[in-house]
Amino acid sequence: EAEVAQSPRYKITEKSQAVAFWCDPISGHATLYWYRQILGQGPELLVQFQDESVVDDSQLPKDRFSAERLKGVDSTLKIQPAELGDSAMYLCASSNGGANTGELFFGEGSRLTVL
Amino acid sequence: RKEVEQDPGPFNVPEGATVAFNCTYSNSASQSFFWYRQDCRKEPKLLMSVYSSGNEDGRFTAQLNRASQYISLLIRDSKLSDSATYLCVVNPHSGNTPLVFGKGTRLSVIA
Repeated sequence: EAEVAQSPRYKITEKSQAVAFWCDPISGHATLYWYRQILGQGPELLVQFQDESVVDDSQLPKDRFSAERLKGVDSTLKIQPAELGDSAMYLCASSNGGANTGELFFGEGSRLTVL
Repeated sequence: RKEVEQDPGPFNVPEGATVAFNCTYSNSASQSFFWYRQDCRKEPKLLMSVYSSGNEDGRFTAQLNRASQYISLLIRDSKLSDSATYLCVVNPHSGNTPLVFGKGTRLSVIA
């Protein structure tokens, strides 16, 4: 079964450092999402791409976060500088049918710990 | 008011019990509704969609009340393997807009 690939699975960094996460969606999925999930909370959207274009980045803290999907396939999420409050699971998801179908396929996530 | 609100639980129930989770959403224009399941330290996965007429999938029944802006999930004959967090999910607009997730309700089924 096709999967959403994410790396790294785990990242420990000190505050003020830069971190980057990578996501490769299911082949053919035009829509890609980055969500952040803090322990005990539900996933919260950071950014949504349709192909290479940003559809929604209203919740992305743009002073320190950036995301790109240059060729409309894989995507990178960057944080610079990292802060203690950024410790969370960063989940990438992709879909083919759009949000109305409700089926987002998530990767296993990248767990970030900022010390 | 949060867009999607759920009772966080935890719900601790014995095997074989029936358990119900509730969820409310704030945007009356919301178009579509879903329940996701998330196992501990795993990614969320779609459990089922929620239709206006109510729908059933084996031991799971989902219901939607648009007038009250309320969604429910009923699990009958609980199994140990049902232990997970159940996330209420709403598409607040039509079209390809991001899904909004609730905080989740944690269920522990005990032998």
